[in-house]
Amino acid sequence: DAMVIQNPRYQVTQFGKPVTLSCSQTLNHNVMYWYQQKSSQAPKLLFHYYDKDFNNEADTPDNFQSRRPNTSFCFLDIRSPGLGDAAMYLCATSRGTSGRGGYSYEQYFGPGTRLTVT
Amino acid sequence: GQNIDQPTEMTATEGAIVQINCTYQTSGFNGLFWYQQHAGEAPTFLSYNVLDGLEEKGRFSSFLSRSKGYSYLLLKELQMKDSASYLCAVERLQAQLWSRNRAGGSYIPTFGRGTSLIVHP
Repeated sequence: DAMVIQNPRYQVTQFGKPVTLSCSQTLNHNVMYWYQQKSSQAPKLLFHYYDKDFNNEADTPDNFQSRRPNTSFCFLDIRSPGLGDAAMYLCATSRGTSGRGGYSYEQYFGPGTRLTVT
Repeated sequence: GQNIDQPTEMTATEGAIVQINCTYQTSGFNGLFWYQQHAGEAPTFLSYNVLDGLEEKGRFSSFLSRSKGYSYLLLKELQMKDSASYLCAVERLQAQLWSRNRAGGSYIPTFGRGTSLIVHP
């Protein structure tokens, strides 16, 4: 059974036309993450939510926004996509984030949405 | 800042053993994950190390030396299906300010670019 679901799997949008990617989870995890991954590169963390608390990475462009209306759903909004935003967008969840003493939670990833900008 | 370094590509023969290294430099280090990612698919969790030493899990083992900023993933009895990218992810403490009255920190993983392993018959 799918645990982290991303829709759509493939998205084509026009330069400058807003687009929304969605992620849902059936794991009831506290934390949801959005990563951008370009070909042969590391997944780059854009932001994450710990419950309703939003955490933006310092180098995430303002063009990228996120919403988490409830525990199960999280959205990535790209307000004005540029050609450089074409990438795979990965959503991930975890039960929590690590605390001191070595306690850690692994991430569960969705299948990704491949975004093409024309 | 932080720096995570892995070899870009490795090749090995079916049935052999391969070691994939990861070196890192980061502040606030807590632990290190290894993930496997097949082409066009999402990463899947393999292992986690927080203490120095070797963690064994079936054909896969992972080692960590905190003082040297070094980890490796060891794959034994290689199979063709092991052809994939192997991502090292370093956990670091990220201070967060959620509101004027609430601040704290979380350990957030940051990924290396991955090592593409090609297994030949």
